[in-house]
Amino acid sequence: SQQGEEDPQALSIQEGENATMNCSYKTSINNLQWYRQNSGRGLVHLILIRSNEREKHSGRLRVTLDTSKKSSSLLITASRAADTASYFCATYQGAQKLVFGQGTRLTINP
Amino acid sequence: DVKVTQSSRYLVKRTGEKVFLECVQDMDHENMFWYRQDPGLGLRLIYFSYDVKMKEKGDIPEGYSVSREKKERFSLILESASTNQTSMYLCASSFDRGRPGEQFFGPGTRLTVL
Repeated sequence: SQQGEEDPQALSIQEGENATMNCSYKTSINNLQWYRQNSGRGLVHLILIRSNEREKHSGRLRVTLDTSKKSSSLLITASRAADTASYFCATYQGAQKLVFGQGTRLTINP
Repeated sequence: DVKVTQSSRYLVKRTGEKVFLECVQDMDHENMFWYRQDPGLGLRLIYFSYDVKMKEKGDIPEGYSVSREKKERFSLILESASTNQTSMYLCASSFDRGRPGEQFFGPGTRLTVL
């Protein structure tokens, strides 16, 4: 069952612009995670934000979490061609089961 | 750096064959997972294991089995491969100690069943 749903499904921007992706989820969470997947590859963990945190930064990434709206956003600033990938949010259902959304496919145009 | 390796990047098998997908992690993680990823369906959990010789079914275990004889190795077995098992298979591991955290993924195995 889908826990996280990303929006938009696809996003195309120019290099240097900022990219924002959103994620909504259904049940209460301990943490929410964002992953990146380059075409045909495995997923790479980007950032984890705990339910008691509202914002977190890592390099050019900024993640926000609004537990009252059950939503999160991922902002990538000053985008680069290498940021072209699919981005997934994920939350836990139970202790071990990580459930992923369908992902946002981000394309950075030179 | 955590490294999760998978035995093959690409694999082509015939219907009815028994298929073994191997996954090895080098960070002493307790938990290991097998997912499949299909367009429009996202990542779906097949099986996971939280300890040696322990296994739990995920969302889509039918047609699959798993084996974890050693802590670092988690095998996915397709007893009799079928064309609807053509997919990208991703292995992951995590070190939780009761607090669910990030998972580390292997590069994936793209399996084609003819």
